[in-house]
Amino acid sequence: ILNVEQSPQSLHVQEGDSTNFTCSFPSSNFYALHWYRWETAKSPEALFVMTLNGDEKKKGRISATLNTKEGYSYLYIKGSQPEDSATYLCAYSYYGGSQGNLIFGKGTKLSVKP
Amino acid sequence: ETGVTQSPTHLIKTRGQQVTLRCSSQSGHNTVSWYQQALGQGPQFIFQYYREEENGRGNFPPRFSGLQFPNYSSELNVNALELDDSALYLCASSPGQGEQPQHFGDGTRLSIL
Repeated sequence: ILNVEQSPQSLHVQEGDSTNFTCSFPSSNFYALHWYRWETAKSPEALFVMTLNGDEKKKGRISATLNTKEGYSYLYIKGSQPEDSATYLCAYSYYGGSQGNLIFGKGTKLSVKP
Repeated sequence: ETGVTQSPTHLIKTRGQQVTLRCSSQSGHNTVSWYQQALGQGPQFIFQYYREEENGRGNFPPRFSGLQFPNYSSELNVNALELDDSALYLCASSPGQGEQPQHFGDGTRLSIL
């Protein structure tokens, strides 16, 4: 069974705190790892797509790293702001899977208090 | 550019009925994927359409079917609705093959009574 695990399930931080969360996925047949941010009452928004071991991507205060050999990715948020409050989803795709078949984790729900 | 739009936003049906959900893909995107998100779960892949052909399917029974039209908009049809079909249905489009980020709609919330 192909499973994507995200931890923690939820996180409450103060404005200005830096935070990080983890996405674990099967390391065999890895193809790509996606991160999405999903704010309440909006649609999921793509943050990053990573394919290479050791990849690091950055978008403003948010960055992500990828380790395909051990099957994990970290998402970092530096200096969290209330507008960062959202559920962060990771999704993995693999060689041999149906085209477009992203396997999602359950997400990490981040709440940032002003 | 126009984003992904889904209709309706909410729908209530009873067991055994049939439902059609609609999705307009983002301008320039020829690939549409459908996902089901049950309460407390991550989105689960139902199927993908690329240039009007089914291009991959997840672990869903045949009563889940779809279509893609020449303008790349798409429909998800579910027959013989069951209580467990209650979920948020998300449509996502992307600009063709290869590993591209998917652009999601706001979803259709389907409730089965």
